[in-house]
Amino acid sequence: EVQLVQSGAEVKKPGESLKISCKGSGYSFTTYWIGWVRQMPGKGLEWMGIIYPGDSDTRYSPSFQGQVTISADKSISTAYLHWSSLKASDTAMYYCARHTIAAAGGGFDIWGQGTMVTVSS
Amino acid sequence: SYELTQPPSVSVSPGQTARITCSGDALPKKYAYWYQQKSGQAPVLVIYEDSERPSGIPERFSGSSSGTMATLTISGAQVEDEADYYCYSTDSSGNHWVFGGGTKLTVL
Repeated sequence: EVQLVQSGAEVKKPGESLKISCKGSGYSFTTYWIGWVRQMPGKGLEWMGIIYPGDSDTRYSPSFQGQVTISADKSISTAYLHWSSLKASDTAMYYCARHTIAAAGGGFDIWGQGTMVTVSS
Repeated sequence: SYELTQPPSVSVSPGQTARITCSGDALPKKYAYWYQQKSGQAPVLVIYEDSERPSGIPERFSGSSSGTMATLTISGAQVEDEADYYCYSTDSSGNHWVFGGGTKLTVL
């Protein structure tokens, strides 16, 4: 079974760092892109960026460039989303999802269960 | 920055046909994908590459695209289809992807 399993919920203080994870199984992790999506409470889905674990090629949304770092460790089939200094406005549900890319576009097909990040003093 | 525009809400009675639209300048050349998100759950892919249905998705879900508009159609909508629906596509460069703002489908 193809699946993505994300790390558990986090509660952090402003200014702290955080790295959440997304482990893939049931498919060749290095031959699909993995993306991250933010969903703030009561709001819509926002595309943050994607990474190709095979060569670590990474693309960011302009809205998230410089705010987070996306990485992957192909040896353990795991992608990461990292903040160096959290803000209260980072409070949200974060989803990872497998992403295909073709000449005419691409999209997410398999989603993780989500990781809730709460940032509060 | 690139945008996909969806109506905030659509409402139908059970058994009626629901149509949710998504407009974007690059859609004539780029595929649209559609996701269903029920309350408290992760999104689920219901249509990919404009009109393809993943295995396990009911046949009442279909997609189409013409010009700058993609459409998700739910023929004979059921109460269990109540959810938020998001379209998704890329800009003309193919380097940045975006979601539409989402459409809340009410079936009652």
